[in-house]
Amino acid sequence: ELKVEQNPLFLSMQEGKNYTIYCNYSTTSDRLYWYRQDPGKSLESLFVLLSNGAVKQEGRLMASLDTKARLSTLHITAAVHDLSATYFCAVDGEYGGATNKLIFGTGTLLAVQP
Amino acid sequence: NAGVTQTPKFQVLKTGQSMTLQCAQDMNHEYMSWYRQDPGMGLRLIHYSVGAGITDQGEVPNGYNVSRSTTEDFPLRLLSAAPSQTSVYFCASSYSGTGVYTGELFFGEGSRLTVL
Repeated sequence: ELKVEQNPLFLSMQEGKNYTIYCNYSTTSDRLYWYRQDPGKSLESLFVLLSNGAVKQEGRLMASLDTKARLSTLHITAAVHDLSATYFCAVDGEYGGATNKLIFGTGTLLAVQP
Repeated sequence: NAGVTQTPKFQVLKTGQSMTLQCAQDMNHEYMSWYRQDPGMGLRLIHYSVGAGITDQGEVPNGYNVSRSTTEDFPLRLLSAAPSQTSVYFCASSYSGTGVYTGELFFGEGSRLTVL
């Protein structure tokens, strides 16, 4: 059974600081996704990582994937208050397949303090 | 652009009642799925479909039924509501199409269900 673990679960950080959210998963997978959710809202796709060594960047966020270590990271650079949200990673439940079976981590609640 | 549309957005049920959460997408996506979101547990997959006429169970299917008679619609039925089904439900879709398949999900706005 595929398990996806994120840490930390809660992150309070000051504006201007850097930090990393970690996403570990338990079985082989070659697709990993990062989503953002604002309170009471839907999920917004941030990054799609489709191969080992993939790195994607958008603004102050950068995501990477190491399929050998079964690890993805979401790095936040010089945080700003607008980044406050819950961040989820998700892994495709079928290796090499295409089934829409994304298994989600429990999320990391990020609070950026002025 | 409508994208993925869920109705209703809010619903209160009594234990034992049945209801259907509607989900429609206008993007011609083959893949559709239902998730529930509970505090501290992330999103858990209930049922999914890889195309019209094909459905399968996810992580937490008990108490829910689905069908996929058209590409556009993927309703979720609660057969006999229980308080444990109080949750926020999200429908999502994904495109398989031609080219590189990414599996990226596009989510609806969510349906908040309370079972008393």
